[in-house]
Amino acid sequence: AQSVAQPEDQVNVAEGNPLTVKCTYSVSGNPYLFWYVQYPNRGLQFLLKYITGDNLVKGSYGFEAEFNKSQTSFHLKKPSALVSDSALYFCAVRDDTGGFKTIFGAGTRLFVKA
Amino acid sequence: EAQVTQNPRYLITVTGKKLTVTCSQNMNHEYMSWYRQDPGLGLRQIYYSMNVEVTDKGDVPEGYKVSRKEKRNFPLILESPSPNQTSLYFCASSLNGAGNTEAFFGQGTRLTVV
Repeated sequence: AQSVAQPEDQVNVAEGNPLTVKCTYSVSGNPYLFWYVQYPNRGLQFLLKYITGDNLVKGSYGFEAEFNKSQTSFHLKKPSALVSDSALYFCAVRDDTGGFKTIFGAGTRLFVKA
Repeated sequence: EAQVTQNPRYLITVTGKKLTVTCSQNMNHEYMSWYRQDPGLGLRQIYYSMNVEVTDKGDVPEGYKVSRKEKRNFPLILESPSPNQTSLYFCASSLNGAGNTEAFFGQGTRLTVV
């Protein structure tokens, strides 16, 4: 069965510092991994995805994520956090075995302090 | 503008009174789905649709119905709402059901059942 874990409910970081939001997954086949961001009173917005190829994926707003197959992880990163990055972040996974469901993590709330 | 539109944004209703939440997308997407978001649980899939007249259960389908008579519309129906269906609901669409396509989300519908 597919599953996603976001081990931190909340991440606090100072503006200008690097940030990492963690995600680990479990799938039967090869994973398709996604990060989404949710701002207050808004729907989820797509940030980036890993399908195949280069393990370092770059996405919107300066975010990137590193796929690590041996550790089954897909951590979201940004070199220099902005106050405006404060939001709720979701990791999601599907696999290539033909299933049609996307599994989301519980979400990690990021607070960036000025 | 490419978008997924849900209505209403906010709804307060009483137990047992049938309601429908509408969802429409203008991107000619084949795949549509409904999620509910609850604190600490992330997003859980209720139903999904691979294309017109093709729907299937997600992880938490009990108490919900859907239909897909047209490609652009995917309404969520609660025949007899109960308080445990109080939640934030999101409709999403993606190009197709392949695992490597990202989802576009509506703004959400906050439902309260009293």
